[in-house]
Amino acid sequence: DAGVIQSPRHEVTEMGQEVTLRCKPISGHNSLFWYRQTMMRGLELLIYFNNNVPIDDSGMPEDRFSAKMPNASFSTLKIQPSEPRDSAVYFCASSLEDTEAFFGQGTRLTVV
Amino acid sequence: GIQVEQSPPDLILQEGANSTLRCNFSDSVNNLQWFHQNPWGQLINLFYIPSGTKQNGRLSATTVATERYSLLYISSSQTTDSGVYFCAVGEYGNKLVFGAGTILRVKS
Repeated sequence: DAGVIQSPRHEVTEMGQEVTLRCKPISGHNSLFWYRQTMMRGLELLIYFNNNVPIDDSGMPEDRFSAKMPNASFSTLKIQPSEPRDSAVYFCASSLEDTEAFFGQGTRLTVV
Repeated sequence: GIQVEQSPPDLILQEGANSTLRCNFSDSVNNLQWFHQNPWGQLINLFYIPSGTKQNGRLSATTVATERYSLLYISSSQTTDSGVYFCAVGEYGNKLVFGAGTILRVKS
């Protein structure tokens, strides 16, 4: 298996623009997670899906952030409008139920 | 929510030395993982270890769930071991809560 695949790897955008991050989980995994890593806050969970259903979105910072999982093999994280403080590395991870989670290579987002 | 503390925050080793990294957590967990974040930012799985002891080459880990801590042992360290080591514990539904990490620098 190719592991968790994220795209793009790097994204530079201007403040106010819409940003969409994409994730393909490992085939057969039924849990998907979006995390954000910053120097100030470390690695924090944004949202968690199980069987394509959002279970816990309490980590989503504000209404500008939204996430979807239309099917078992694809998820998106959207920021609209983007702000400079959204600059971070965004990771997607997947697991089979409560077993070991595997992370993608991350998307480094810079909002200028 | 659950708290995860890692120690030490920073560690500098001479190549060939051994080290022990510690992870304390504040509540019962159903998952515990150790990761290595390499200089390119990738999170590499080291161990999935909710309890017990595992070994993989020069690395080994032990989790004592009843006492709420885990240890990661690195023996005969190499420069390629440099990076940040994270402990993450799983709450319900496998939501991982990460510690702040231990920054390891191995000098040749």
